[in-house]
Amino acid sequence: NAGVTQTPKFRILKIGQSMTLQCTQDMNHNYMYWYRQDPGMGLKLIYYSVGAGITDKGEVPNGYNVSRSTTEDFPLRLELAAPSQTSVYFCASSYLLSRDRGINEQYFGPGTRLTVT
Amino acid sequence: AQKITQTQPGMFVQEKEAVTLDCTYDTSDQSYGLFWYKQPSSGEMIFLIYQGSYDEQNATEGRYSLNFQKARKSANLVISASQLGDSAMYFCAMREGNFNKFYFGSGTKLNVKP
Repeated sequence: NAGVTQTPKFRILKIGQSMTLQCTQDMNHNYMYWYRQDPGMGLKLIYYSVGAGITDKGEVPNGYNVSRSTTEDFPLRLELAAPSQTSVYFCASSYLLSRDRGINEQYFGPGTRLTVT
Repeated sequence: AQKITQTQPGMFVQEKEAVTLDCTYDTSDQSYGLFWYKQPSSGEMIFLIYQGSYDEQNATEGRYSLNFQKARKSANLVISASQLGDSAMYFCAMREGNFNKFYFGSGTKLNVKP
């Protein structure tokens, strides 16, 4: 299993450009997440999905969009990039242990380092 | 209010000694989960240990244990016999409810001295 893969690893965008960060998992996990990590900070949840066709906003969704057409893929779209979106972006996936025990730990991708100038 | 608070931005510990990293959380849910992750300088997030809100015993995984004090809403990570490879950022996280959202603290940078 490759686990959670993210592409690209690095990207530099100009202000106003758009791009899609790709995320794929091969563990058949229902739950997928996008986070951003600003320098010296913890992770903040951007969007999450509990299954194909179902997405919802996290703490910091403004400036981003997501879709989930398959179990495996959860792309993150940046429209009109701004310098405030310079960050490291992590995708993660997880599964449900049981309805009583809830979701197990998240499996993280290696991250995408994005710079907007 | 912060969901997860880590009050120690940085800590030093001597190799082979034990160290405790603090974490307090805020939730009104009865069912939740607490996690610790390690982030080395290479940047990946490595899962260390999990504690469910209904688990009566403190979780342990090798040299890691979680000191869970539910009434105080604290979930401190204890690393025994520190190794040089333990030098990293450590993040406490909470899954609120059973399914949906995770919240991360701001992290503690641990330096292990030889």
